[in-house]
Amino acid sequence: NAGVTQTPKFQVLKTGQSMTLQCAQDMNHNSMYWYRQDPGMGLRLIYYSASEGTTDKGEVPNGYNVSRLNKREFSLRLESAAPSQTSVYFCASSEALEYYEQYFGPGTRLTVT
Amino acid sequence: KNEVEQSPQNLTAQEGEFITINCSYSVGISALHWLQQHPGGGIVSLFMLSSGKKKHGRLIATINIQEKHSSLHITASHPRDSAVYICAVDTQGGSEKLVFGKGTKLTVNP
Repeated sequence: NAGVTQTPKFQVLKTGQSMTLQCAQDMNHNSMYWYRQDPGMGLRLIYYSASEGTTDKGEVPNGYNVSRLNKREFSLRLESAAPSQTSVYFCASSEALEYYEQYFGPGTRLTVT
Repeated sequence: KNEVEQSPQNLTAQEGEFITINCSYSVGISALHWLQQHPGGGIVSLFMLSSGKKKHGRLIATINIQEKHSSLHITASHPRDSAVYICAVDTQGGSEKLVFGKGTKLTVNP
């Protein structure tokens, strides 16, 4: 099992460009998450999907959109990238929202210039 | 004030020492998680607990629900334990799901 995979691993964008971060899990988990990690701050939740067909905003959703394409895949889209979105992005999944461990992908390091 | 506070922020130890990392939280929780972030960036879950104590190898996690406090202990520390240790809580009724502490950076010197 690959667990949680993310693509790409690294990306450099210019301000205003758009891109989609892809995430897939092969553990048949119901819930998936997107986080960002910035220096000196804890991981912060951007969006999550409790189950296939549902998505909800987290703590820092502005500037992002998500799609739960199917049970395996959960993508994060930046429509018009800004330097403030320079960060490391982690996708995670869990069997359900509460009482279950989360499994993290390897992360995507995004730089917006 | 952050909902999840960890101490210390940085910790340097000599190989073999007993390590304690603390986590305090200010909200009602359904569970508390300890995570490890390797120097390469990968994050793995170490423990999830809602009461008492759990042990895995040289790692022990405890939680005191009444005092809203958890500790992560590492016995006989080793340089390969060098990592950032992150505490996170499942908030009761919250919309943010897991709320994370800022992490404790542990360096174990040989």
